[in-house]
Amino acid sequence: DAKTTQPPSMDCAEGRAANLPCNHSTISGNEYVYWYRQIHSQGPQYIIHGLKNNETNEMASLIITEDRKSSTLILPHATLRDTAVYYCIVRPLNYGQNFVFGPGTRLSVLP
Amino acid sequence: NAGVTQTPKFQVLKTGQSMTLQCAQDMNHEYMSWYRQDPGMGLRLIHYSVGAGITDQGEVPNGYNVSRSTTEDFPLRLLSAAPSQTSVYFCASSSLGGGLNTEAFFGQGTRLTVV
Repeated sequence: DAKTTQPPSMDCAEGRAANLPCNHSTISGNEYVYWYRQIHSQGPQYIIHGLKNNETNEMASLIITEDRKSSTLILPHATLRDTAVYYCIVRPLNYGQNFVFGPGTRLSVLP
Repeated sequence: NAGVTQTPKFQVLKTGQSMTLQCAQDMNHEYMSWYRQDPGMGLRLIHYSVGAGITDQGEVPNGYNVSRSTTEDFPLRLLSAAPSQTSVYFCASSSLGGGLNTEAFFGQGTRLTVV
């Protein structure tokens, strides 16, 4: 599985957009980019995933560069409840479904 | 729809004791897995299963056993608990289906302390 690199921590003002970057320069053609978050010590929560097109859902937007070597998760209007550790994971959509979690980015949304 | 349910939520064991962490899902997912998370770390895969009767090892399988007799349940057994197994354990499930709805759903975790 391709490895990912994320900044260890970021701050964001409440109400502003939070842009969380992820580098995955060794991503393979059949690997998707997934984002999860973990609030406090709860179980990780799925946010969004994509292959090469930009994706948007009710929680966030995912922007994947054309060469697919990096991506950005965007929380358009961050709230205090978005304070969490955010994990960027790349893996193929196939038999097995294993996720490899790195240390992630600790996002602090400040009032 | 309960999703993924883990029991117990908290457990304290003495070194050498055995116990089983329970995980059940009601989404008819083929794939289930167990992770452990040590303080300040990401999740590490212990064991996983792609269907009833099929299990395989993940990154850190030593000291743990699993079985998958039904689609719904995937218990994790600690045969002889050690302090190094003090951690938070998460169970997850997902569909293997050919569509894109294959995100993993996680339980709320079991916090295990071995003294």
